[in-house]
Amino acid sequence: DVKVTQSSRYLVKRTGEKVFLECVQDMDHENMFWYRQDPGLGLRLIYFSYDVKMKEKGDIPEGYSVSREKKERFSLILESASTNQTSMYLCASSSPNQPQHFGDGTRLSIL
Amino acid sequence: RKEVEQDPGPFNVPEGATVAFNCTYSNSASQSFFWYRQDCRKEPKLLMSVYSSGNEDGRFTAQLNRASQYISLLIRDSKLSDSATYLCVVSRSSYKLIFGSGTRLLVRP
Repeated sequence: DVKVTQSSRYLVKRTGEKVFLECVQDMDHENMFWYRQDPGLGLRLIYFSYDVKMKEKGDIPEGYSVSREKKERFSLILESASTNQTSMYLCASSSPNQPQHFGDGTRLSIL
Repeated sequence: RKEVEQDPGPFNVPEGATVAFNCTYSNSASQSFFWYRQDCRKEPKLLMSVYSSGNEDGRFTAQLNRASQYISLLIRDSKLSDSATYLCVVSRSSYKLIFGSGTRLLVRP
């Protein structure tokens, strides 16, 4: 079974803090993704990566950056957290042209 | 207009009922199609891929109509455990998936 592990289920941070969300997958997948999910808006793609050290902007990259130093790990960074970044964050991984598999999600609250 | 549109529901049906969801997509170059299921406060999980010829997995049947750009999911003999949100998902490329906002299903005893 594919295993995608996100470092935290719940996280509370303060406005202006730098926040790191970590994701690890154990299936040697080339592709990794970060989404956020908000009520009524569905899942929106923030960034994705199709190889180590490669990254591409998704639909809503503003206020975020990512890092992929190793194939199995994809980190999402909120450079200076703001209250409008309170959301559910979901990491996913896949092989090319295959369905994506998701981690459990991180519920992030910015106070 | 959203690239993938779904009726948000909720669809409230009794156990044993047959229920169908439709989804429309706007990009005719879309390549792959999926249905995901998401339980409350959980991550989306792949339910099934959708093929042009239609495909079935137990009580679930998925259909794709490329000419009209819609995808359907039929659930027969609904169970209480089918209560969830069903996400229609379309792929533009080998990397990107576009998710609909989901259709909520409630199956009552």
